[in-house]
Amino acid sequence: DIQMTQSPSSLSASVGDRVTITCRASQGIRNDLGWYQQKPGKAPKRLIYAASSLQSGVPSRFSGSGSGTEFTLTINSLQPEDFATYYCLQHNTYPLSFGPGTKVDIK
Amino acid sequence: QLQLQESGPGLVKPSETLSLTCTVSGGSISSSNYYWAWIRQPPGKGLEWIGNIYYSGNTYYNPSLKSRVSMSVDTSKKQFSLKLSSVTAADTAVYYCATYPYGGSNGWNALDHWGQGTMVTVSS
Repeated sequence: DIQMTQSPSSLSASVGDRVTITCRASQGIRNDLGWYQQKPGKAPKRLIYAASSLQSGVPSRFSGSGSGTEFTLTINSLQPEDFATYYCLQHNTYPLSFGPGTKVDIK
Repeated sequence: QLQLQESGPGLVKPSETLSLTCTVSGGSISSSNYYWAWIRQPPGKGLEWIGNIYYSGNTYYNPSLKSRVSMSVDTSKKQFSLKLSSVTAADTAVYYCATYPYGGSNGWNALDHWGQGTMVTVSS
């Protein structure tokens, strides 16, 4: 099974900050990775697919990069509505697996 | 725009079988462009993929749950279902259904449309 790790597990940031979250896979997954934002009591929302493709309707301050085993989600100029938990998901190999999440809260 | 809605009992007794249904609207459950997925999230914890099913009935299950999981599709009702047997308190979670879309030349894409989720508590 492919194990996904994320760092950091949590971070505190201010509005306007640039935030970077890293996701690592235990083996190569090409670019078969998605990023999700989840707010309390809500379903996850896909932000990025294929590691770097922006989901339609998602603000351009979100971007993804990486391939193989290391991936990053960057939020440029953090907005109040961006405070949430972020998950990565690998779908290269069954079983699909999520990272443990990164909680972004207000400094 | 595809929409998914989970339904089922919110309370299940230990050792019994959890049964949930996801109803699909705004698109065809018989589409070759989707697998249909179940994911769960225990309170305060992360996301766990449970399994996928294709309209033809082809399935993939998480090995950690495989001995207890069963999925099915009812194309006439535009629904797919999850059964999880011999439940314990550890199965208490919000259960989500979602789409696993085909991305063309790039193969399958990350889970896309999600239902709102349904909370299932295992307790006597």
